[in-house]
Amino acid sequence: GAVVSQHPSRVICKSGTSVKIECRSLDFQATTMFWYRQFPKKSLMLMATSNEGSKATYEQGVEKDKFLINHASLTLSTLTVTSAHPEDSSFYICSLPPAGSYNEQFFGPGTRLTVL
Amino acid sequence: AQTVTQSQPEMSVQEAETVTLSCTYDTSESNYYLFWYKQPPSRQMILVIRQEAYKQQNATENRFSVNFQKAAKSFSLKISDSQLGDTAMYFCAFMKPKYQGAQKLVFGQGTRLTINP
Repeated sequence: GAVVSQHPSRVICKSGTSVKIECRSLDFQATTMFWYRQFPKKSLMLMATSNEGSKATYEQGVEKDKFLINHASLTLSTLTVTSAHPEDSSFYICSLPPAGSYNEQFFGPGTRLTVL
Repeated sequence: AQTVTQSQPEMSVQEAETVTLSCTYDTSESNYYLFWYKQPPSRQMILVIRQEAYKQQNATENRFSVNFQKAAKSFSLKISDSQLGDTAMYFCAFMKPKYQGAQKLVFGQGTRLTINP
């Protein structure tokens, strides 16, 4: 299956700073990628769909100015958490769109963000 | 909008036993996909099994099988001969087919499964 990497795997930052998380597809070109947020012991919540060459599509309730998404190329999407606050602390996971006959979505390993 | 409900927050069984995880969903669509994903302590999401709604036959993958009841909108996962490595969070998920737009996954709340030695 497709391999997806995320960088960094863990990040700790001070309140008010911005943090960029990268999601790379290592062997598959993707015109879209998905970004999820997962609170501790909770489910995954879709934040937005990243679109190569156009604006991201955000889910209802997700602040576009807080969570900036850029699909720089067919293999790279980035999520920038701007002016981070402690409530932004969470686990962020990206995924590729479904592919192949099995329609499987391949997920990155996730990034744990802690805002102090 | 689609919703997925997992009513069992936690389950615990002994190794080698069989366990069934429940999932119900709500949709007005006739064609869709259902998935069970596993999230072990590493937090990497792993696909366990998939079911296409238009297929009546229940999907099976080795020790994993589903009981898909379309009319009841129920999609349970059965794990036979459970192993210690099956300990994980299990998420039921729903997805529309591609021709209906962006294929976003809608997840249930998850069931934390512990296999005891």
